[in-house]
Amino acid sequence: DTEVTQTPKHLVMGMTNKKSLKCEQHMGHRAMYWYKQKAKKPPELMFVYSYEKLSINESVPSRFSPECPNSSLLNLHLHALQPEDSALYLCASSQDHSTGRGGYTFGSGTRLTVV
Amino acid sequence: QKEVEQNSGPLSVPEGAIASLNCTYSDRGSQSFFWYRQYSGKSPELIMSIYSNGDKEDGRFTAQLNKASQYVSLLIRDSQPSDSATYLCAVNPGYSTLTFGKGTMLLVSP
Repeated sequence: DTEVTQTPKHLVMGMTNKKSLKCEQHMGHRAMYWYKQKAKKPPELMFVYSYEKLSINESVPSRFSPECPNSSLLNLHLHALQPEDSALYLCASSQDHSTGRGGYTFGSGTRLTVV
Repeated sequence: QKEVEQNSGPLSVPEGAIASLNCTYSDRGSQSFFWYRQYSGKSPELIMSIYSNGDKEDGRFTAQLNKASQYVSLLIRDSQPSDSATYLCAVNPGYSTLTFGKGTMLLVSP
């Protein structure tokens, strides 16, 4: 069983819909991440939340909006997405963002399809 | 620009053979190195981490690190068909987030 839980596992949404992806980690980690992964490509970093501070990849469109209610929860709000946003969305957590030790633990992902 | 380079493959090996996966990185100050296994349609799974020069063994897996050559490798002994997956090399410089390579697809034939 993964210690990073993502819901839902699959999501189909229209371009006018608003939906949210949820992620919860039970590892006491201080950093959490959202990644987007297209087929046959490596994960691409979208957002980092570390020590209550959000860092944004400036290439990510504003139709993606992260929210961190507390240190163990990280949500991703989706609005007015495009078909090219269809991908596997991965949440990850790590003990400490700055030292790099321990690696990242990934959740099982949300397979998003935009129609 | 931090870069992590991997041969995309596929690397094909017969069952029982040793699979050797290689990775080079550009940031000489990098501190932490990881290998992830990713099955098609699934999320990456951390299988090895290494922080100092030399070899680190865990079961059938051995990670090797050479910081002078900026090179990290993963050896899989007695390869099994269930090892068929994409292997992602990831590097953390210690002050930023992980940088992933593009991954090497490994195919183990029975």
